[in-house]
Amino acid sequence: GENVEQHPSTLSVQEGDSAVIKCTYSDSASNYFPWYKQELGKRPQLIIDIRSNVGEKKDQRIAVTLNKTAKHFSLHITETQPEDSAVYFCAARDAFNKFYFGSGTKLNVKP
Amino acid sequence: KAGVTQTPRYLIKTRGQQVTLSCSPISGHRSVSWYQQTPGQGLQFLFEYFSETQRNKGNFPGRFSGRQFSNSRSEMNVSTLELGDSALYLCASTMGGGTEKLFFGSGTQLSVL
Repeated sequence: GENVEQHPSTLSVQEGDSAVIKCTYSDSASNYFPWYKQELGKRPQLIIDIRSNVGEKKDQRIAVTLNKTAKHFSLHITETQPEDSAVYFCAARDAFNKFYFGSGTKLNVKP
Repeated sequence: KAGVTQTPRYLIKTRGQQVTLSCSPISGHRSVSWYQQTPGQGLQFLFEYFSETQRNKGNFPGRFSGRQFSNSRSEMNVSTLELGDSALYLCASTMGGGTEKLFFGSGTQLSVL
């Protein structure tokens, strides 16, 4: 089955800096890659997603890139703000519509 | 449009007991999936139901079971609780039929003493 690995597990940046979180997956048939943000005590919220036929997608300060050949995808947050502090999860959906999640990255944005 | 609703929000049980968690999906969503979230382990897939049928299953023991009703509401049951079952249980709904976007509920925090 699919295996998703996520790095780093914790990330601390200064407000205004950029943050990058990386994920790798093992199943070349996986075709959809969402990113979720989970604030303390709250539900995971979808922040951006990308399909396997697209290499990059951007939404304001957030972007996701996908390298199908290398089987990795990354989340990029520019101009970070304290409210970006949360746990971020990547996920991959396989050909059977099952979602596999990374273990999460705790992002701390220092004011 | 109401979001995904999970009840109860918190549960405290003792070892050996059984527990039932409930999930009401977004109106019109036919697929409900369940995840176990523990610190440092991310979200582990339990199972998915679509139109009252289990469509996918994760690698959890048979003590974990679920079902879905005709109104798409889903329940998850855990029998013979163990200390290691303490976790946040999240459910998520989608339209189903290959539509990708998962919408999560707030979860049920289960503590097993």
